[in-house]
Amino acid sequence: GAVVSQHPSRVICKSGTSVKIECRSLDFQATTMFWYRQFPKKSLMLMATSNEGSKATYEQGVEKDKFLINHASLTLSTLTVTSAHPEDSSFYICSARGRESYEQYFGPGTRLTVT
Amino acid sequence: GQNIDQPTEMTATEGAIVQINCTYQTSGFNGLFWYQQHAGEAPTFLSYNVLDGLEEKGRFSSFLSRSKGYSYLLLKELQMKDSASYLCAVRDPSSGSARQLTFGSGTQLTVLP
Repeated sequence: GAVVSQHPSRVICKSGTSVKIECRSLDFQATTMFWYRQFPKKSLMLMATSNEGSKATYEQGVEKDKFLINHASLTLSTLTVTSAHPEDSSFYICSARGRESYEQYFGPGTRLTVT
Repeated sequence: GQNIDQPTEMTATEGAIVQINCTYQTSGFNGLFWYQQHAGEAPTFLSYNVLDGLEEKGRFSSFLSRSKGYSYLLLKELQMKDSASYLCAVRDPSSGSARQLTFGSGTQLTVLP
């Protein structure tokens, strides 16, 4: 199957700082990428959908100025958590999908801890 | 609106068969997915149903009834490594992006020796 990578896998940062998470599709062109957030023992909550070359579409309740998403190319999307707070601590997962595929391929996730 | 329901927890014995149900109410429907997720890891794809009926893939099978808004995931010959969360997800084209999935809350399956 297709491979999606995320970097970093774990990050600890201090309150007020910004953190960037990268999501890459390694062997296919991802026309659409999704960013999810998952709290312990909870399901995935979609944060935003991004299409290459256009602005991301954010879900209701997700602050676009706090969670900056850039889908700069067909293989890379980034999520930047700005001015992080402890409540932003979570597991962030990206997924990617190619133009003709019905399947979403998930990255391994990034564990963010804000102290 | 969208509503996807599945049991929160299930327990089964190694070697047994377990069925995880999922019911959904969505404005539109363009496929139902099952994913397996181990703690601290990303979900991995198990199955995809878009037409009514049973899809079999090794020890795992998935069934769909669109008229009833119902699906189940059947796991046979359970192994300890099958202990994980199983997520039901529906693609609803009326919700926005045609490629967007809405996930159920997940069913935590524990396999006992």
